[in-house]
Amino acid sequence: DTGVSQNPRHKITKRGQNVTFRCDPISEHNRLYWYRQTLGQGPEFLTYFQNEAQLEKSRLLSDRFSAERPKGSFSTLEIQRTEQGDSAMYLCASSWTSGRPSTYNEQFFGPGTRLTVL
Amino acid sequence: GDSVTQMEGPVTLSEEAFLTINCTYTATGYPSLFWYVQYPGEGLQLLLKATKADDKGSNKGFEATYRKETTSFHLEKGSVQVSDSAVYFCALNYNQGGKLIFGQGTELSVKP
Repeated sequence: DTGVSQNPRHKITKRGQNVTFRCDPISEHNRLYWYRQTLGQGPEFLTYFQNEAQLEKSRLLSDRFSAERPKGSFSTLEIQRTEQGDSAMYLCASSWTSGRPSTYNEQFFGPGTRLTVL
Repeated sequence: GDSVTQMEGPVTLSEEAFLTINCTYTATGYPSLFWYVQYPGEGLQLLLKATKADDKGSNKGFEATYRKETTSFHLEKGSVQVSDSAVYFCALNYNQGGKLIFGQGTELSVKP
């Protein structure tokens, strides 16, 4: 295992279609994060999981977005009824959290999935 | 709410020049601060971090000091190389592993 992987790397879709992205974290990591990055901006937090539990979801996240991590391993991010404004790079990251407050748990990022909505 | 602001790019320097990329933050608590780097065609990588006031993070010749009084975390390097050309992101988070809040990024281009 060499890092976080994401599939597909690129996705082109037509407005109104549904799309699903997959993220495979580093195998021993218990936390998994999704971010969105548009051109010229920094990544924006969407949601994160600890094991299979979704711990936080951005208030900016539309109801058209849903994420799952059913067995605490890989995760999927689905966007329903895509809009042109959804075009962005979708980043996944993972980390190991021991729960000890004195340790920092580095987030390791995948290469991203670039979504283009026509 | 919490936010991070970086100096606008692109920053263009000659090899061996001194680099400063400014970063300031607004926070309701006491966050940890980070610099991430994104090389062309690659994913984000952690460059350095500081978890409390007056801490200095350092890595690969880069340094940044957590200044609570000025709410800043400026990135510096004494002598840049062409291989340092990348986009640099300043970020903060709480609770040693929660969500990261990023600045908008600063593109650095180093010419030979």
